[in-house]
Amino acid sequence: GEDVEQSLFLSVREGDSSVINCTYTDSSSTYLYWYKQEPGAGLQLLTYIFSNMDMKQDQRLTVLLNKKDKHLSLRIADTQTGDSAIYFCADDSGGYQKVTFGTGTKLQVIP
Amino acid sequence: NAGVTQTPKFRILKIGQSMTLQCTQDMNHNYMYWYRQDPGMGLKLIYYSVGAGITDKGEVPNGYNVSRSTTEDFPLRLELAAPSQTSVYFCAGSPGQSSETRFGSGTRLTVV
Repeated sequence: GEDVEQSLFLSVREGDSSVINCTYTDSSSTYLYWYKQEPGAGLQLLTYIFSNMDMKQDQRLTVLLNKKDKHLSLRIADTQTGDSAIYFCADDSGGYQKVTFGTGTKLQVIP
Repeated sequence: NAGVTQTPKFRILKIGQSMTLQCTQDMNHNYMYWYRQDPGMGLKLIYYSVGAGITDKGEVPNGYNVSRSTTEDFPLRLELAAPSQTSVYFCAGSPGQSSETRFGSGTRLTVV
């Protein structure tokens, strides 16, 4: 089955850029996603990229997709303490619009 | 529009008890899903449904059952609760394009 992998933890200082990385194995995805989960809360769709795109920018967020290497990244510019959360990479390669999630990266922002 | 609503938010069960986690959506979405979230493991798909009357197993279905008698409701049933089912459960709905999938706020279940 599909594997979506992420590093478990990232710590950055407030104001710096954060880069969260993700690798996946199945190349049949239509969309790839980044979800944000704040402590004790549900999942919030942060942004997504269509599989035929290389890059998508949305305010402080930049998503880069390297299909050849099956690598997805999320860059958060000017990281704020409110960005502290777990970030999940995901794709829809499972069919029937199912979303397959990575293990999540916990982002800690140090003031 | 409330979106996807899950109840209860928290529950403690004893081993061997049964319960139903409720999920309802008011977006007229055909597709609905149940995930469980364990620490450091991401979300795993338990069951899904592509429409009323149709359900199918996901990655981790053992110990669970679902039904989909209406478009709106997709309850998840635990018949004999086990400590391994301690987790956070998320229900989600989609109109048929995964970029529109929306999640409920989750049910935190502890089995003791």
